[in-house]
Amino acid sequence: DADVTQTPRNRITKTGKRIMLECSQTKGHDRMYWYRQDPGLGLRLIYYSFDVKDINKGEISDGYSVSRQAQAKFSLSLESAIPNQTALYFCAVRGTGTGYTFGSGTRLTVV
Amino acid sequence: AQSVTQLDSQVPVFEEAPVELRCNYSSSVSVYLFWYVQYPNQGLQLLLKYLSGSTLVKGINGFEAEFNKSQTSFHLRKPSVHISDTAEYFCAVSEDSSASKIIFGSGTRLSIRP
Repeated sequence: DADVTQTPRNRITKTGKRIMLECSQTKGHDRMYWYRQDPGLGLRLIYYSFDVKDINKGEISDGYSVSRQAQAKFSLSLESAIPNQTALYFCAVRGTGTGYTFGSGTRLTVV
Repeated sequence: AQSVTQLDSQVPVFEEAPVELRCNYSSSVSVYLFWYVQYPNQGLQLLLKYLSGSTLVKGINGFEAEFNKSQTSFHLRKPSVHISDTAEYFCAVSEDSSASKIIFGSGTRLSIRP
């Protein structure tokens, strides 16, 4: 299945700063996703992409933007970070079956 | 719109005891159901899935789940848990069989006591 790499693993940033989280996969699958995880809320879908030219908003897209630079790369940006965007962010790839492969996550803290 | 409710945020059990983690869903169309596990400091891994066919689904690590359409439930069970099962478990639903978009529940933290 696809290997999914997220960078950075941890990041602390200040309120108002722009930050980009990166995700890459090794198998070139079409479908990629960004989720955020908050305690007690599970994972919520931010954005998803079915192809380089197909980007869709998820449940909680406000304050975020994405870029699918290539089949293998899907980046998440916070244009102006705020403290309530402090969370654990996961990138996922849907492989050949119906299961998703998740990256190890990026822990983002906005101070 | 589809949604998933996990009724228990935390479930403590003793080692070698049975466990059931509850999951209910709502959807106006056919559903496809999943259970994922997240071990500490890791991403999520697929435990099992129901797409069609037998309502009893077996997954990895001795877990199984039963799809009950009349009760709109997909509870996860294991007859005897181990310390290594300590993790957070997420129920998830998709409205298409290709799982193009999955919605997750809020998670259940399973803690195993020796």
